[in-house]
Amino acid sequence: GNSVTQMEGPVTLSEEAFLTINCTYTATGYPSLFWYVQYPGEGLQLLLKATKADDKGSNKGFEATYRKETTSFHLEKGSVQVSDSAVYFCALSGGGADGLTFGKGTHLIIQP
Amino acid sequence: SQTIHQWPATLVQPVGSPLSLECTVEGTSNPNLYWYRQAAGRGLQLLFYSIGIDQISSEVPQNLSASRPQDRQFILSSKKLLLSDSGFYLCAWDRNTGELFFGEGSRLTVL
Repeated sequence: GNSVTQMEGPVTLSEEAFLTINCTYTATGYPSLFWYVQYPGEGLQLLLKATKADDKGSNKGFEATYRKETTSFHLEKGSVQVSDSAVYFCALSGGGADGLTFGKGTHLIIQP
Repeated sequence: SQTIHQWPATLVQPVGSPLSLECTVEGTSNPNLYWYRQAAGRGLQLLFYSIGIDQISSEVPQNLSASRPQDRQFILSSKKLLLSDSGFYLCAWDRNTGELFFGEGSRLTVL
C-alpha cells in the first residue's frame, strides 16, 4: 500500500535559517504529492502540491520538487520566520476517493 | 465559495458516554467526505470516508461509526467512548481532485 515517511522532529531553527524537511513515499502508479501545514489548534491547510514528476510546487516562500527517481518531495524554504512555526505534513493521493495518505508530521519551531 | 464547518470545537466526555461530532460542507454538491483522527505523535489516521449519501467506508475497526444523512453532512458517533478515543478529529472534503479541504477540528478528551 501507499506510505509516506517524513522526519518527525521537533525541528528547531533560528529565524532566517534555511529549512529542509525530508519526505519520501512509497506508492503504486503516479501519485500526486502535497504539503499541508497545521498551525496550533487549527485544521490543516494546503501549502503546496505537485501532480507529476519534476513538477515544483511553491507557496509563501516554500518549495518542493516531485522527484520520481528518488521517490521524494522535500520541503524547503530559504529564510524561515517565527510565523512559520507549525506542524508540516507530507501526503500523497493515489487518485481514488479514499483520501490522502499522510506522514506523521514534522513539528517546526522557529526561534527569534 | 466552499466552506466546511465542524462542531463542537472542544469536548470533554467521561468514559462510556456517547459521542456525536458533526460536519457540514457548503457551496458544493456531492463531495467526498472524510473523518481523520490525529493522536499525539501518530500523525493523521483515516477513520471513514464517504462518496455519497449512506455510502460509508471504514478504514479502521473501532467503536466509532459514521453516517451521512444528507449530501453535505457527515457525522461521527460512538455509543460508548473509550480513553483511547481521545484526540483531535478532523473532517475534510474533496471533489476527486486529490486536494483535501479540512475543517477546524474537534478536540475530544475522554476522562
